[in-house]
Amino acid sequence: QKEVEQDPGPLSVPEGAIVSLNCTYSNSAFQYFMWYRQYSRKGPELLMYTYSSGNKEDGRFTAQVDKSSKYISLFIRDSQPSDSATYLCAMMRDTDKLIFGTGTRLQVFP
Amino acid sequence: DADVTQTPRNRITKTGKRIMLECSQTKGHDRMYWYRQDPGLGLQLIYYSFDVKDINKGEISDGYSVSRQAQAKFSLSLESAIPNQTALYFCATSAGFGTQYFGPGTRLTVL
Repeated sequence: QKEVEQDPGPLSVPEGAIVSLNCTYSNSAFQYFMWYRQYSRKGPELLMYTYSSGNKEDGRFTAQVDKSSKYISLFIRDSQPSDSATYLCAMMRDTDKLIFGTGTRLQVFP
Repeated sequence: DADVTQTPRNRITKTGKRIMLECSQTKGHDRMYWYRQDPGLGLQLIYYSFDVKDINKGEISDGYSVSRQAQAKFSLSLESAIPNQTALYFCATSAGFGTQYFGPGTRLTVL
């Protein structure tokens, strides 16, 4: 079993929809949770960063961590075609080594 | 200019050849990483370095070696390339706590 599981998609939604992206994990020692966005033929870029449980909001993006269920989510409100990308969840214990999910490909059509 | 640069951006080579991928950064970070990305497998850590004198193996280091020439430079070598090393390779830097900054990637094809 992988330490981090993520549905690869693709997920296709109309512009303006609310998007929910999720990851589950098995290691309860993870303390830091991140979402990276990767456009085609580009390197991943950090989108959201959360320490421990709770919610964090940044504009149209909300990251949610539920450590009791070992489940993290990224919500995108009012999705735009420019949000079309692959979204990677990532987690870390305490050594600055990230464990990545396989990524979910999102397509937002006009 | 980009904070993390990788050269070359694309490379096609033959089985058995030695290949070096180079990474440079201007962010002033001590920590640098090499990953490979394969469809369906996500990003896998090959090697990482927390400073010039500290180099560590990642999950999939077999067949690879690295050199940290300076704080800003971290190179990945494939001593004898094989076809299953065909992948997208990323360099990343970090100031700590998981906030990593990635380069644009090198697409390597081994025939």
